[in-house]
Amino acid sequence: NAGVTQTPKFRVLKTGQSMTLLCAQDMNHEYMYWYRQDPGMGLRLIHYSVGEGTTAKGEVPDGYNVSRLKKQNFLLGLESAAPSQTSVYFCASSTRTGTYEQYFGPGTRLTVT
Amino acid sequence: SQQGEEDPQALSIQEGENATMNCSYKTSINNLQWYRQNSGRGLVHLILIRSNEREKHSGRLRVTLDTSKKSSSLLITASRAADTASYFCATDGIQGAQKLVFGQGTRLTINP
Repeated sequence: NAGVTQTPKFRVLKTGQSMTLLCAQDMNHEYMYWYRQDPGMGLRLIHYSVGEGTTAKGEVPDGYNVSRLKKQNFLLGLESAAPSQTSVYFCASSTRTGTYEQYFGPGTRLTVT
Repeated sequence: SQQGEEDPQALSIQEGENATMNCSYKTSINNLQWYRQNSGRGLVHLILIRSNEREKHSGRLRVTLDTSKKSSSLLITASRAADTASYFCATDGIQGAQKLVFGQGTRLTINP
């Protein structure tokens, strides 16, 4: 039982390049989330999904797109990376009912030069 | 915008002492959660307190919630070096879908 995994762990991009971050969970959770964490700050919600095939915008969605084609996977895409997107990205998942606790992946550290 | 604000931003204490962190929020909530983040790692859920609860315990953790003041506190008793981490409060208000809004965190250092 791996919980929430993220791929890759580290990535360096040049401005204008694109990439996709993959999040996978094996807990059969309905809800999945993408956050970014900047130095000295808490997490800010980028996009989230309440189920397969559905996504919604969070607090800071500009410059990002997401897809949830399978229940266990949630992809975060950067179409044209900018230095302002340098951050640590965390994926999380939770059940639709119960304790509402979110389970987090280990993070992806992205640097855009 | 951040819902929760935590105080202090950083706290350094001796092993064995108690650590208290505070969180204030702005809007009505259903639940408030506390998470721990070790350096370079993801967040780990510690405890959840519902809006109709005033106090909750879990091991060495004690959480209080005052909805009239829109504030919560996390007390860690008999601190250990392994408690060194950042601690975040998170609220899920009217947003629904269990969307959490995180505070900026308190960086706790336990000195041996």
